[in-house]
Amino acid sequence: EVQLLESGGGLVQPGGSLRLSCAASGFTFSTCAMTWVRQAPGKGLEWVSVISGSGGSTFYADSVKGRFTISRDISKNTLYLQMNSLRAEDTAVYYCAKYLDCVWGNYRHYFDDWGQGTLVTVSS
Amino acid sequence: EVVMTQSPATLSVSPGERATLSCRASQSVSSNLAWYQQKPGQAPRLLIYGASTRATGIPPTFSGSGSGTEFTLTISSLQSEDFAVYYCQQYNNWPLTFGGGTKVEIK
Repeated sequence: EVQLLESGGGLVQPGGSLRLSCAASGFTFSTCAMTWVRQAPGKGLEWVSVISGSGGSTFYADSVKGRFTISRDISKNTLYLQMNSLRAEDTAVYYCAKYLDCVWGNYRHYFDDWGQGTLVTVSS
Repeated sequence: EVVMTQSPATLSVSPGERATLSCRASQSVSSNLAWYQQKPGQAPRLLIYGASTRATGIPPTFSGSGSGTEFTLTISSLQSEDFAVYYCQQYNNWPLTFGGGTKVEIK
């Protein structure tokens, strides 16, 4: 059974940093493309970042480019999102999710298993 | 950026009735469109990809259609568990973008 467990959320001041983790199990994480998607309170879904199975390709939403970094540690079966220079508008529940069948490729960027999310609140 | 617009924002439907949800892209996304269902307090669930292919375990009461800029998600006979928010997502272009969602509520 696929399990994705996010952690690391919390309250942080504007301009601060936070690192989110997503512990993965039940599938071959080492070759699986992954993503982060966020949802502001009461709002819709917003894609944040993706990383290929090899880790060699990453993409970011314009709203977080230059501030957030996605990475993975295969030895720990864990996906990360390093968030710097946080702003109030980054307040959201952050979900990690895996690509359907773990496949990375053109026109394959949709997500079948999701974690339950971790809440990040940016406020003074 | 491809802007995805969903309509209506809220759809009131009686159990057993058909629901038709629309999603429009600001430019062609071919058939590179997915639909997700989200219930309160839960993570999204993949329903449809490739505009019309049901994900594993999704009942045939859910169907997707369309290509280019106009897409439709149809729920043929609404069950109590189908009342939720539905999002479309295009994956034809970077950045990936979601629609604002359609809430399907009990009439």
